[in-house]
Amino acid sequence: EPEVTQTPSHQVTQMGQEVILRCVPISNHLYFYWYRQILGQKVEFLVSFYNNEISEKSEIFDDQFSVERPDGSNFTLKIRSTKLEDSAMYFCASSGLGPGNTQYFGPGTRLTVL
Amino acid sequence: SQELEQSPQSLIVQEGKNLTINCTSSKTLYGLYWYKQKYGEGLIFLMMLQKGGEEKSHEKITAKLDEKKQQSSLHITASQPSHAGIYLCGARGGANNLFFGTGTRLTVIP
Repeated sequence: EPEVTQTPSHQVTQMGQEVILRCVPISNHLYFYWYRQILGQKVEFLVSFYNNEISEKSEIFDDQFSVERPDGSNFTLKIRSTKLEDSAMYFCASSGLGPGNTQYFGPGTRLTVL
Repeated sequence: SQELEQSPQSLIVQEGKNLTINCTSSKTLYGLYWYKQKYGEGLIFLMMLQKGGEEKSHEKITAKLDEKKQQSSLHITASQPSHAGIYLCGARGGANNLFFGTGTRLTVIP
């Protein structure tokens, strides 16, 4: 069964450093998403991406964040200058077209900012 | 803004017992999704409900959406240790994003 994959599974970085989180969505999906979950809190939407551009973003997704689909398979989330409060689990998800289409999530990348 | 409240927050049951988890919205739901999350892992899709009164089942898990489309329940029959985890309800926010409830942590004692 096709699945969303994410790398790395765990990333430790120093405050102020740039990090890139990588995702390979399900191959025939057209919508891609990033969510995050701070320990003990809700899963929160960050951004959705369709047709090579951002289709929607939350207040959390400020200028420090960017997304890219550098080739036909990868989808990345970049945090330019990490802060302590960026420590969280980051989930990538993908879905097909249409409002009812289910989002399938990857296993997540645990980001720890020291 | 729309919020999803889940109850109970945590649940401990003996293996073989039935249980129900509830998800209540402050506004009409346009697509209600149930996911399961094991600690520190990703979200596994369980079921999606869209129509008022809709009910879906998969193995021993049944999810329902009420007629007003503001409340959903997830029922597990004859629980097993493999059912343990955090159950999240999610709903469509904007065009395509999902927002989630706080989750219900289920422990099944063998």
